[in-house]
Amino acid sequence: QSALTQPPSVSGSPGQSVTISCTGTTGDIGSTDHVSWYRQPPGTAPKLMIYKVINRPSGVPDRFSGSKSGNTASLTISGLQAEDEADYYCSSLSGRVYVFGTGTNVAVL
Amino acid sequence: EVQLVESGGGLVQPGGSLRLSCTASGFTFDNYWVTWVRQSPGGGLEWVAIISPDGGEKFYADSVKGRFTISRDNAKNSLRLQMDSLRVEETAVYHCAREGYVGGFDYWGQGTLVTVSS
Repeated sequence: QSALTQPPSVSGSPGQSVTISCTGTTGDIGSTDHVSWYRQPPGTAPKLMIYKVINRPSGVPDRFSGSKSGNTASLTISGLQAEDEADYYCSSLSGRVYVFGTGTNVAVL
Repeated sequence: EVQLVESGGGLVQPGGSLRLSCTASGFTFDNYWVTWVRQSPGGGLEWVAIISPDGGEKFYADSVKGRFTISRDNAKNSLRLQMDSLRVEETAVYHCAREGYVGGFDYWGQGTLVTVSS
């Protein structure tokens, strides 16, 4: 149960797009569609942004999109806004055990 | 409105025990898998354990297996985490969360702080 690998930080200007990668193994991301993404502003609880690789819960803007290729999942934020500044975490199901990513801080310049 | 409220956190010495609770409201509790996730100060999220709707299936992270026990009381809409042999590095905010029908943890509590220190 090793943590999934994410870049520590990404940044972009308002209106730009940023992509966060999440690299696992054939035992987790590579073998499941249960990949999720969470946003966590400082001092708050995480919020589900993407589930089952590509799906957005009700209320999540379509600026957020997910994808997966092999053992790597990605979250893309298009049209970056100041409110998108937060930590982002990926998560994968492996059997009935979950693993989170190391987390990525998104900065809006 | 779906709500999850944790309680039971506090200061405990290394090697000690603590029991956390999570009270759920606003949804049919016994229809859902529920889970514990922790976050150390300044650190990332770490999944801890999950339990099935009827309590018959339980799964744990390797790091807590044999020391932590997840349980639920559906009559009281309550989730629990019994933590034994606690370690300093397990100082963290412990969140409970609901696993949605279609995947992902769709509702989270604000968390309760556990501090393991002498």
